[in-house]
Amino acid sequence: NAGVTQTPKFRVLKTGQSMTLLCAQDMNHEYMYWYRQDPGMGLRLIHYSVGEGTTAKGEVPDGYNVSRLKKQNFLLGLESAAPSQTSVYFCASSYTYGLENTEAFFGQGTRLTVV
Amino acid sequence: AQSVTQLGSHVSVSEGALVLLRCNYSSSVPPYLFWYVQYPNQGLQLLLKYTSAATLVKGINGFEAEFKKSETSFHLTKPSAHMSDAAEYFCAVSGGFYNQGGKLIFGQGTELSVKP
Repeated sequence: NAGVTQTPKFRVLKTGQSMTLLCAQDMNHEYMYWYRQDPGMGLRLIHYSVGEGTTAKGEVPDGYNVSRLKKQNFLLGLESAAPSQTSVYFCASSYTYGLENTEAFFGQGTRLTVV
Repeated sequence: AQSVTQLGSHVSVSEGALVLLRCNYSSSVPPYLFWYVQYPNQGLQLLLKYTSAATLVKGINGFEAEFKKSETSFHLTKPSAHMSDAAEYFCAVSGGFYNQGGKLIFGQGTELSVKP
């Protein structure tokens, strides 16, 4: 049972380069999220999706774009990478049971360094 | 809107001692509350969650947390620390159905060290 899988696990980019992080989940979850984790700041929400074909901005969306063309996949794009985007990126998915908020399941993370 | 404050970025205890990690939240709607643990170079794993049923919630690895609405707190405790508990712990809040998408808002994290 794979759960949430992130690709790649590590990446080094030069300033101005672009890249796409891929998140795939096999739990048929409606909701998917991208977070970034920085020391002393916890996890901050970048973008999220409440279903296939829909996306919304989180707390720190600037410099990122996302797409959810298929229910199981959520892509995070950096069009022109900046050193401030050096971080660990986590993807998560969840579902709502009736009116109850269930837990989010997290991937293993992608460590991105922009030089 | 929701927010979470974790008191203490680093907590150090001796093996066998009580673990207490503090979390206070702010929420404009009835909250759902979570504690996650992160071991080095890994993703986040759910310890426990509060979803408006019992106010005392038991989780994995002997951890528990109590929801106190009057104090807007959701502190995490464990009676006796093990070396394997050393990790970073995150408290998170969600507005659930009312907060479209059930997105989690995280605290800054508390790193727990356990001394032999």
